[in-house]
Amino acid sequence: QKEVEQNSGPLSVPEGAIASLNCTYSDRGSQSFFWYRQYSGKSPELIMSIYSNGDKEDGRFTAQLNKASQYVSLLIRDSQPSDSATYLCAVGANAGGTSYGKLTFGQGTILTVHP
Amino acid sequence: GEEVAQTPKHLVRGEGQKAKLYCAPIKGHSYVFWYQQVLKNEFKFLISFQNENVFDETGMPKERFSAKCLPNSPCSLEIQATKLEDSAVYFCASSQSAPPDSYEQYFGPGTRLTVT
Repeated sequence: QKEVEQNSGPLSVPEGAIASLNCTYSDRGSQSFFWYRQYSGKSPELIMSIYSNGDKEDGRFTAQLNKASQYVSLLIRDSQPSDSATYLCAVGANAGGTSYGKLTFGQGTILTVHP
Repeated sequence: GEEVAQTPKHLVRGEGQKAKLYCAPIKGHSYVFWYQQVLKNEFKFLISFQNENVFDETGMPKERFSAKCLPNSPCSLEIQATKLEDSAVYFCASSQSAPPDSYEQYFGPGTRLTVT
């Protein structure tokens, strides 16, 4: 089992729809969760961070965390063609401190928003 | 600066040659992380620093890879005797703090290393 798994893509949604991206992780002690967006040939861009159970909203983006289920998700409302990219789920820092800050990434989900 | 800077953008080396990559973290960030991205989306952690001290080197293949962060100089990642399998994009990221505090890592543009 991979440490961080994302729902297999690619995911295609029409413009204006809600895109839902999912991620599960295996280390129950993980404390920090991040969503990055990566355009082809570019570097990962941080779009959301979440540390506590529940929802966190920032503009059109909502991150949801459920530590009991070891699940984190990202919702993109009113999807735009410019949202088309690879979305990376990253998990950091466990409670024991043994990960020392490094991020473990999922394999990424390719999102395409079509006009 | 306000962004993580990495040089060079592209690097081509023959197998067995040395490669050296550079990273300047965001001003005020104390932590630097190096990641290797191969096969499109597969990220591998290599090493991290807290200022000039190694913070975590559990991902480093030490026989050929070395890294430094010296005061008032860009951080560097050096690969001695490159192999074909070292072909990848190497990303540097920096963060202001580290666990158990919350922290966020910001990535540089990357250096694409091609070993021929």
